Amino acid sequence: DTGVSQDPRHKITKRGQNVTFRCDPISEHNRLYWYRQTLGQGPEFLTYFQNEAQLEKSRLLSDRFSAERPKGSFSTLEIQRTEQGDSAMYLCASSPMSGFWETQYFGPGTRLLVL
Amino acid sequence: GEDVEQSLFLSVREGDSSVINCTYTDSSSTYLYWYKQEPGAGLQLLTYIFSNMDMKQDQRLTVLLNKKDKHLSLRIADTQTGDSAIYFCAVHGSSNTGKLIFGQGTTLQVKP
Repeated sequence: DTGVSQDPRHKITKRGQNVTFRCDPISEHNRLYWYRQTLGQGPEFLTYFQNEAQLEKSRLLSDRFSAERPKGSFSTLEIQRTEQGDSAMYLCASSPMSGFWETQYFGPGTRLLVL
Repeated sequence: GEDVEQSLFLSVREGDSSVINCTYTDSSSTYLYWYKQEPGAGLQLLTYIFSNMDMKQDQRLTVLLNKKDKHLSLRIADTQTGDSAIYFCAVHGSSNTGKLIFGQGTTLQVKP
């Protein structure tokens, strides 16, 4: 069990560019979450997958954001036309599926800087 | 909506006990969590407590839950310099997807 992995760990981009982040959850974890963390704040929920189905999206997830989990394994988060306000740490978490809400295990995060 | 509040900063001397406090508004969470974040890193699960428990002890960590007051605390005994980090309290939101609602985090500074 290698834990949740995220790639890249750091990304610097210019305003207006598109970026894509990848998350590989712990194997056999059905649930996958994306959170965003800005400096000095706690993580904020963005979206959630159960297997390949995206079941909830936060109001924070504007039209420029899209997330996928095509085969119910890894997930990608794409930000189109990046803005300086998108600069943040993007965290992925996974948890197993059971009859109640299981503990979420977090990856190391992808730190995005938009210039 | 759901809200989780924490004090922002705590400074203790090495060897002392640290107590980090958290209050929350939504009491429907089955589990309540404490996560630790070191600079530039992701979140590490420290411990959690089931909502029908009042206390949970795990080595140097003690979690106290007061459901009536919607108050959660984390006590770290014999605090070490390696405990210096940001500590987040988290509860499940009231939706049925298991999303976590986090506090702002408490920065723990341990002085030698």
